[in-house]
Amino acid sequence: QSALTQPASVSGSPGQSITISCTGTSSDVGSYNLVSWYQQHPGKVPKLMIYEGSKRPSGVSNRFSGSKSGNTASLTISGLQPEDEADYYCCSYAGSSTLVFGGGTKLTVL
Amino acid sequence: QLQLQESGPRLVKPSETLSLTCTVSGGPISSSSYYWGWIRQPPGKGLEWIGYIYYSGSTYYNPSLKSRVTISVDTSKNQFSLKLSSVTAADTAVYYCGSYLRGTYSFDYWGQGTLVTVSS
Repeated sequence: QSALTQPASVSGSPGQSITISCTGTSSDVGSYNLVSWYQQHPGKVPKLMIYEGSKRPSGVSNRFSGSKSGNTASLTISGLQPEDEADYYCCSYAGSSTLVFGGGTKLTVL
Repeated sequence: QLQLQESGPRLVKPSETLSLTCTVSGGPISSSSYYWGWIRQPPGKGLEWIGYIYYSGSTYYNPSLKSRVTISVDTSKNQFSLKLSSVTAADTAVYYCGSYLRGTYSFDYWGQGTLVTVSS
């Protein structure tokens, strides 16, 4: 069970859209629609932003969206805002009742 | 709304056992809707799933930690616990407890996290 692969960093200007990728294998991301995404500001608790690939919990802005193609899941943030600057982690069900996280992506809002 | 709070020693000696408890409020831990889990984050690093438990006692662990991890539940106290044996400095991390809605495999409620340092 290897960690999912995310870019170490991405950046964008306010108002732009950015996409963070999360690459796994046919044993995890590719086999299940059970990818979740978490936002974590420095020193804070992770917050669930997307679950089951593309669903948003109550209270999460519709600027956040999730998708999947093959073994790669993606988180897209549209209309980038300064408060979106944070670390983002993907997590996938990996079969046999196990979970695996990605290494995390630092989003910088320029 | 569920609230979770971790508690336990903040300093553990190498080779000893790390023990943490998560107290759940706002709902019964015996709910059939939720699983209860542990996640950790070494300083400056990413998140790592440790394992989770159902109120019935069924447990599921990260294969890389399975030989050292035990998660248990005490429904009478609305708590669940983590034990990690034979710790080393590599186990120094912020430990979070969390809950996820059955079937979603996503943690919707988290504790505040507690930093556990392994050092002599």
